[in-house]
Amino acid sequence: QKEVEQDPGPLSVPEGAIVSLNCTYSNSAFQYFMWYRQYSRKGPELLMYTYSSGNKEDGRFTAQVDKSSKYISLFIRDSQPSDSATYLCAMSARGGANNLFFGTGTRLTVIP
Amino acid sequence: DGGITQSPKYLFRKEGQNVTLSCEQNLNHDAMYWYRQDPGQGLRLIYYSQIVNDFQKGDIAEGYSVSREKKESFPLTVTSAQKNPTAFYLCASSRGRGLGGELFFGEGSRLTVL
Repeated sequence: QKEVEQDPGPLSVPEGAIVSLNCTYSNSAFQYFMWYRQYSRKGPELLMYTYSSGNKEDGRFTAQVDKSSKYISLFIRDSQPSDSATYLCAMSARGGANNLFFGTGTRLTVIP
Repeated sequence: DGGITQSPKYLFRKEGQNVTLSCEQNLNHDAMYWYRQDPGQGLRLIYYSQIVNDFQKGDIAEGYSVSREKKESFPLTVTSAQKNPTAFYLCASSRGRGLGGELFFGEGSRLTVL
C-alpha cells in the first residue's frame, strides 16, 4: 500500500465551480501536510501548509486535514482558468523536507 | 530575483553515457534536494544536502551521484548505472531543514535516453 494515495484525475470543471481535491494516507504519524501546485513543464510551488488537524484558508483556497480519517482536502472556490495545473499533496511525520511523501498529483483543468 | 536555476531544460543522452544536470540557487538556502518525477508516481527523493560538503542518499540514489562544494550549487550526475534514467528531474532548496516541508523548486530538467 502506498503511503499517500491521490486520484490522478484528470478533473475538468467550468469556471466558477468549487473544486475539491483529496488525498488519503496510511501513516498515522503524519502531522505536516502540504499542497503544491505545478503548472505544465514547471516545478511545483507551495500553495498551502497545515500542521496537524484543522482547516486553513488563504483567499480562494482552503486546506482541510482530518487525521481521524487519514484524509486531507484542498478546496478551490470560484475556480479560474489560471488554476489549471497539477496539484500535489505532500506530508511528513517528523518535519524536514528530506522525509516528505508526495501524492501522484491530480491534474485540474478549469474551462472558461 | 531569487530562485533556483536548472540547466539544461531538455537533454538527450545515449545509453551508456553519464550526464550532469546543473542546479544553482541564490536564495541563500542551506539545504538542497534532487527529486525525480515520473508519470503516475509521486516525487521521489534522489539525494539531499543540508550543508556544504555533506549529502545523504534519498530513496532512489542508485545510479546517481552528487556533489556539494558550494552552498549555491548541487549538481546531479546520472550515470550509466541508472537503469531507467528517462524522467523529469527537479532540484529544490529549503531554509534550514525545511521544517514543514516548504521546498522551493526549479523548473526542472527533462532527460531522455535514446
